[in-house]
Amino acid sequence: ETGVTQTPRHLVMGMTNKKSLKCEQHLGHNAMYWYKQSAKKPLELMFVYNFKEQTENNSVPSRFSPECPNSSHLFLHLHTLQPEDSALYLCASSQDLVGAGNSPLHFGNGTRLTVT
Amino acid sequence: GQNIDQPTEMTATEGAIVQINCTYQTSGFNGLFWYQQHAGEAPTFLSYNVLDGLEEKGRFSSFLSRSKGYSYLLLKELQMKDSASYLCAVPILTGGGNKLTFGTGTQLKVEL
Repeated sequence: ETGVTQTPRHLVMGMTNKKSLKCEQHLGHNAMYWYKQSAKKPLELMFVYNFKEQTENNSVPSRFSPECPNSSHLFLHLHTLQPEDSALYLCASSQDLVGAGNSPLHFGNGTRLTVT
Repeated sequence: GQNIDQPTEMTATEGAIVQINCTYQTSGFNGLFWYQQHAGEAPTFLSYNVLDGLEEKGRFSSFLSRSKGYSYLLLKELQMKDSASYLCAVPILTGGGNKLTFGTGTQLKVEL
């Protein structure tokens, strides 16, 4: 059991559906992240929040919409996705923003998304 | 530009020692992280190096040479449970701050 919990673990959705991924961290961290992990590719940063303010949008298509109501919760709202969006979506948190010394990311187990 | 390179796959024998290399190119440097990821699970933090030299933590050690843009993860007394993907990552400075950028990972298979 990690300190970062993601739901659901698996999600299958059609291209016209709207769904949301949820992440909750119980570590008292200030920064939260969404990463995308596709087969044979490096982990790809999508969004960064620090003290619930978005600090990074890594050129992510608008069909992915993040929401961070507080420092403990992070959502990723999905709509009109494409089959190539099928991947493992990982949430992570860190005490401080990456780059501020030894502040490692703590990852959740991810949501395995399949777009049909 | 920025680039992180590590071998795609490695195979080693139980009880042996294996070294996983990582080279990186960044315009600045704010440390290097190693993560372990078992299939279907979250990546977990292994080590952080910011100064040159070797950091030892039980069976796992990590080495850094900033002048060479090079790091390695050393795993001793290999166990079957060490079969996993090992990810090298460095913070890369962007317009929004630093973002932790990962290599593609090295898939390690430990055999009997």
